[in-house]
Amino acid sequence: QKEVEQNSGPLSVPEGAIASLNCTYSDRGSQSFFWYRQYSGKSPELIMFIYSNGDKEDGRFTAQLNKASQYVSLLIRDSQPSDSATYLCAVNLDSGGYQKVTFGIGTKLQVIP
Amino acid sequence: GAVVSQHPSRVICKSGTSVKIECRSLDFQATTMFWYRQFPKQSLMLMATSNEGSKATYEQGVEKDKFLINHASLTLSTLTVTSAHPEDSSFYICSARPAPGTPKRSYEQYFGPGTRLTVT
Repeated sequence: QKEVEQNSGPLSVPEGAIASLNCTYSDRGSQSFFWYRQYSGKSPELIMFIYSNGDKEDGRFTAQLNKASQYVSLLIRDSQPSDSATYLCAVNLDSGGYQKVTFGIGTKLQVIP
Repeated sequence: GAVVSQHPSRVICKSGTSVKIECRSLDFQATTMFWYRQFPKQSLMLMATSNEGSKATYEQGVEKDKFLINHASLTLSTLTVTSAHPEDSSFYICSARPAPGTPKRSYEQYFGPGTRLTVT
């Protein structure tokens, strides 16, 4: 079982719609969770960070975390063509003082004008 | 936001030669830097964690004698790919985690722009 699982997509949504991206993780000791956006040929940029169960909203983005079910999701409201990118889910585990962040394969999002 | 630079951004080298990639945190001190490799249509794979002043911690399957990492200061880490081969061609990305007590968010990794390595 992969440590961090994501559907590679592509996920296609029309402009203005809500895009829903999902991620599951295997290690129950994971403590913090990230969503990164990566454009083709570029390095990732952080868009959301969450560590408590529930929802966290930042502009058009909402991250949802459910530690009991071991999933974290990202909702993008009013999707724009500029949101088209690969979204990487990342999970941070503190193992005896050594922190390791593991990335999922990423979900490719296509927003259709 | 924090700025992390990488140099060079793109390099082409012949098989058997060595290539050095630099990663610098420009506006914060980073006690920890990470080196990732990303093949086309694949996720970021952590190669090693670099701590200033100590030996790097390599992930399973990564040859430490082939991928030499030096973290000599709080703002600079280098990755040297020794005796490069075509299968080493990839996108190498570093990230830096701010030192505790700095104004930057210490939970975040700030990524460099990446280095595209092509070995012919």
